Amino acid sequence: DAGITQSPRHKVTETGTPVTLRCHQTENHRYMYWYRQDPGHGLRLIHYSYGVKDTDKGEVSDGYSVSRSKTEDFLLTLESATSSQTSVYFCAISEAGTVYNEQFFGPGTRLTVL
Amino acid sequence: AQSVTQLDSQVPVFEEAPVELRCNYSSSVSVYLFWYVQYPNQGLQLLLKYLSGSTLVKGINGFEAEFNKSQTSFHLRKPSVHISDTAEYFCASYNQGGKLIFGQGTELSVKP
Repeated sequence: DAGITQSPRHKVTETGTPVTLRCHQTENHRYMYWYRQDPGHGLRLIHYSYGVKDTDKGEVSDGYSVSRSKTEDFLLTLESATSSQTSVYFCAISEAGTVYNEQFFGPGTRLTVL
Repeated sequence: AQSVTQLDSQVPVFEEAPVELRCNYSSSVSVYLFWYVQYPNQGLQLLLKYLSGSTLVKGINGFEAEFNKSQTSFHLRKPSVHISDTAEYFCASYNQGGKLIFGQGTELSVKP
């Protein structure tokens, strides 16, 4: 299994509070991604990173920010959580950003915003 | 418009029966196609992928998929399923911007 961990694995928070989710990899892969998974929508890309301090928006980036200060860590922050951000969040990594490179997924973080 | 469409949200099947999970893609995505499996409370794992070459692709756990350009489909099949195949399956492809786009998912439920 690819060395990807996510923390926390479960979190319950209240509307309006800030939340940070962490993705840590031990594979030294350049690309890292954050997705959210919702019933009926599959997985949707929130943000991704193509190197330290290099990030870009995905399909559903509103309300989220990311940071990558080290190759191994990619943080997802909800500045002020809303109930619509209740979801399961997955981190993924890939060696490069081409279609030939498989993305490997972490175990997920289940976030509930009350 | 959905770029990758999985035609069945749920597929119940009895153990040892054959199964087909259907996936269609649109012209807005590439023909680099993937099937992922998600077991309960786990992340996604790659089952198989089509990049080029033979249109019949074999993957792990006895699954295979056929790329059909004329029908813009990439259906997943297994001739005989096991209880352990119960999971959610996702079809995916890269869009023109190089982002991986997922279908809505199909829940496969294998009953004894």
